[in-house]
Amino acid sequence: KQEVTQIPAALSVPEGENLVLNCSFTDSAIYNLQWFRQDPGKGLTSLLLIQSSQREQTSGRLNASLDKSSGRSTLYIAASQPGDSATYLCAVRQRDSSYKLIFGSGTRLLVRP
Amino acid sequence: NAGVTQTPKFQVLKTGQSMTLQCAQDMNHNSMYWYRQDPGMGLRLIYYSASEGTTDKGEVPNGYNVSRLNKREFSLRLESAAPSQTSVYFCASILRLAHEQYFGPGTRLTVT
Repeated sequence: KQEVTQIPAALSVPEGENLVLNCSFTDSAIYNLQWFRQDPGKGLTSLLLIQSSQREQTSGRLNASLDKSSGRSTLYIAASQPGDSATYLCAVRQRDSSYKLIFGSGTRLLVRP
Repeated sequence: NAGVTQTPKFQVLKTGQSMTLQCAQDMNHNSMYWYRQDPGMGLRLIYYSASEGTTDKGEVPNGYNVSRLNKREFSLRLESAAPSQTSVYFCASILRLAHEQYFGPGTRLTVT
């Protein structure tokens, strides 16, 4: 059974720092991996999608990498800002008959001014 | 282009009452999903519809039913609400598996 783990569960950094959020998964038979952002009381906003054949994706100050063989993905945020404060979730889409999206429990990020 | 919309935004029910959560997407997506999000439990799949006319159970289907009314709309029904169904419910949709999944704003349900 696929399990997705995100470490750390919470992170507090001063503004301007570069930071890395980690996501690991137990079954490498994935179709793709998606990173989301969730603000308090809101829905999930898609940040980056990496296909299983890709190694990384970039969008602005965000860079996500994927190492399928080791079951790891990282989300790198450059020059963090207070507006980046949110919960970040990773999810893997199973490469099986269900093609379900399995979520980690998230990393709660606080960027202090 | 509204994306994925959900109604209502908030709802309070008494134990035993029934209600239907509505979801619609205007992106011509093929697949639609219902999740619930609980503190410490993350997001769990309740039901999904891979394509119009099909529905399948997810991880936590007990106590729920769904209807894929057409390509745009996917509703979730609680026949007899229980306090354990207090949660935030999210609807999501996707065009194809290789694409991003999009989420609605959520429905916050409290069952007393």
